[in-house]
Amino acid sequence: NAGVTQTPKFQVLKTGQSMTLQCAQDMNHNSMYWYRQDPGMGLRLIYYSASEGTTDKGEVPNGYNVSRLNKREFSLRLESAAPSQTSVYFCASSEGPLLYGYTFGSGTRLTVV
Amino acid sequence: GQQVMQIPQYQHVQEGEDFTTYCNSSTTLSNIQWYKQRPGGHPVFLIQLVKSGEVKKQKRLTFQFGEAKKNSSLHITATQTTDVGTYFCAGRAFGSSNTGKLIFGQGTTLQVKP
Repeated sequence: NAGVTQTPKFQVLKTGQSMTLQCAQDMNHNSMYWYRQDPGMGLRLIYYSASEGTTDKGEVPNGYNVSRLNKREFSLRLESAAPSQTSVYFCASSEGPLLYGYTFGSGTRLTVV
Repeated sequence: GQQVMQIPQYQHVQEGEDFTTYCNSSTTLSNIQWYKQRPGGHPVFLIQLVKSGEVKKQKRLTFQFGEAKKNSSLHITATQTTDVGTYFCAGRAFGSSNTGKLIFGQGTTLQVKP
């Protein structure tokens, strides 16, 4: 089992460029999440999808959009990248939105110059 | 909004010493989870606590959930070099409107000197 797969692993963007971070899980989980991790800030929730067909904003949604393409896939889009979006992005999934532990992907390290 | 604070931010210990990290929430939590992230890695789920006053053990790790469900702790007995990493607590505020919003603390980074 691959678990949660994120692509790409590394990316460098110029300010103003757009890109989509891909995430797929093969555990038949219902809920999926996008977090960003910055030094000293822990993990901050960007968007989540409690179940297929639904998405909701987290703590820091500005500058991002998401698509829950199907049960397996949850993508994160940066429409116009800014240096403040330089971070490590983690996708995670869980069986449900409440009392379940999260399985994280290996992360995407994004640098915006 | 909901905040989850963790202390200390960093801890250096000699191998064999004990280690404790504390997690405090500004609101009552429905549950709390603990994760470990090795350097350069991704967070890995360790455990979940749900009941007030709950205590769970995993080998040398002891997890507690406070009676008021607003704080938690992780205690490691006799640390080993394999314990190195950052430990995160994560909690969900009580109430259905917070479905899916698991909020993470800033983490405690543990260094162990052999």
